[in-house]
Amino acid sequence: DVKVTQSSRYLVKRTGEKVFLECVQDMDHENMFWYRQDPGLGLRLIYFSYDVKMKEKGDIPEGYSVSREKKERFSLILESASTNQTSMYLCAVIPNTGELFFGEGSRLTVL
Amino acid sequence: GESVGLHLPTLSVQEGDNSIINCAYSNSASDYFIWYKQESGKGPQFIIDIRSNMDKRQGQRVTVLLNKTVKHLSLQIAATQPGDSAVYFCAESPGHYGGSQGNLIFGKGTKLSVKP
Repeated sequence: DVKVTQSSRYLVKRTGEKVFLECVQDMDHENMFWYRQDPGLGLRLIYFSYDVKMKEKGDIPEGYSVSREKKERFSLILESASTNQTSMYLCAVIPNTGELFFGEGSRLTVL
Repeated sequence: GESVGLHLPTLSVQEGDNSIINCAYSNSASDYFIWYKQESGKGPQFIIDIRSNMDKRQGQRVTVLLNKTVKHLSLQIAATQPGDSAVYFCAESPGHYGGSQGNLIFGKGTKLSVKP
């Protein structure tokens, strides 16, 4: 199975701060994704990437950007964090077998 | 609009019993469906998937059934164990983003509680 590592499990930031969420996979898969998970709303796709330096907007990209400089690393960036971005953020990877593998999640609290 | 939903938000079963978690989907063009398990404080874990050209698929203690006529998906867990306690999500792939499986639409989740 693919190992997906999200370096920060818990973060607390202040409104207006810049936030970086890092995601690293241990294989060489092209497709990587960022979701946020909120009670009552389920998982929603923020951004995804098919390859290095490629990115596509998901369903809720507003307030976020991403970076894919290396194949194994996909970063989610909050340029100016707001309280409504308090959430659980999940990174995912799709290998050739087709199923989505998730990281353990990064729980972000914005005060 | 498209939606993936679950009939029951919570399900409580006795250890050893079989569990059935249901899911409805609305996009008849969806051709790939997945069940995920998410334990508290962890990321979702793939359990089993099924493509639209099948109506049943079995794994270890789990079976997924797909009824395309009524757009219904179910996950059956045999001999439910305390370790099965988690939130279970269904997901469908309507194929929006170039066929990538990452464009999944997830249900809200059903919490399964197993009583010893």
